[in-house]
This record gives sequence, C-alpha cells and structure tokens, in this order.
Amino acid sequence: GAVVSQHPSRVICKSGTSVKIECRSLDFQATTMFWYRQFPKQSLMLMATSNEGSKATYEQGVEKDKFLINHASLTLSTLTVTSAHPEDSSFYICSAPGEGVETQYFGPGTRLLVL
Amino acid sequence: SQKIEQNSEALNIQEGKTATLTCNYTNYSPAYLQWYRQDPGRGPVFLLLIRENEKEKRKERLKVTFDTTLKQSLFHITASQPADSATYLCALDIGAAGNKLTFGGGTRVLVKP
Repeated sequence: GAVVSQHPSRVICKSGTSVKIECRSLDFQATTMFWYRQFPKQSLMLMATSNEGSKATYEQGVEKDKFLINHASLTLSTLTVTSAHPEDSSFYICSAPGEGVETQYFGPGTRLLVL
Repeated sequence: SQKIEQNSEALNIQEGKTATLTCNYTNYSPAYLQWYRQDPGRGPVFLLLIRENEKEKRKERLKVTFDTTLKQSLFHITASQPADSATYLCALDIGAAGNKLTFGGGTRVLVKP
C-alpha cells in the first residue's frame, strides 16, 4: 500500500524557537495533504489542508501565521510551528489521500515537546 | 452542531470473543464512513470504508455496519486476539473536496489472553 513518512519522528525544542516537520508521500503523488494534531487521549483534530502549488486552507481556530504550511512538490508538505510554546506540545500527523481518494494514508506522526 | 461520538471507555474483552464498537453521529449526512486503527505513538491505519448505500462490509475478521437512519455504525472484531488491542477510530467525510475527514474520539480495545 501507499506509504507516507514524516520527519523527524520526535523533536524537543526550547520555547520561542521554530520547528519544521516534513511529510512525504513515498510512492505516490499527493496534490493534497492534511495536517492533524492529537493531544494525549484525544482524537485527531484537523488543522489544515495543504495544497500543492497554492495556499493551505486552515480550520477554524488554527493560526495560519503560527503554523506555516508549504506544499512545494507533489510528494512533500512541510509544517513549521513558529515561535513554539509549551502548549504547542502535541503529536502532529499528516495524511494523504490514496488512489481511491476516499481513504487516507497517514504518516507515523511527529512528537513535539516544547520546553 | 456536528458531532461524532464513540464510547470513550476502554473495552476489555477476552481472547476469542467478539468486540463490538459503536460510532454515532449527528448533523451529518456522510457519503461514507471509515474505521481506522491507531496504536500508541503511531498514525492511524485504514481498515474499512462503508458507503451510505451499503448496510454491511466485511474484511477478514472485521465487520462494519452502517445505518443512516439511526446515524450509527457498528464495528465488530470477531475471534479477537491480543494483537487486536489498539484504539479504533471512526471517521466521516464532511463533504469537502479532497476527502476531508473528521474523527470520533476513538475507543480503546484491550484483548486479554
């Protein structure tokens, strides 16, 4: 099946720094990718839709200036958490639609800890 | 407002028995509903998709039903095994382009040998 990778798998940073998370579709192209955030014992919350070659669309309540998304190619989307604070500590997961469009292939997630 | 509800309490079940999970939704008219498995510290893995015009879908030991009148889906794991222990999430499409999904809170299943 289709594979989506994320890098890094885990990152610890100081408050106020920026962190970039990469999401790659390894054996298929994805014009759309999705970014989710998951807090402990909670479900996935959609943050934004990443669109190749155009601006990302953000869900209500998600600050676009804080969570910068760049979808520069058909296999790579990046999420940059700018000026990270401890409350941004979470599990960030990306996904890309498969061939049938309805199903989603998820990356393994990135654990972010902001000290 | 739109809501997807799954039983938040963990389901403890003996190996070999059938686990049944529930997903209820309100204020949605989804074209399809999906079930995913998520292990701790990992991303979700797609299991099954059932469309609005389908009543039941099976895949190996998994069975999903979809009742659009009740606005409910049931997810069954038959002959459960300890390896089935995980959190199971239901997800609905919200009708936007590009397959935008919204997820329920998930139900944790623990299969005891």
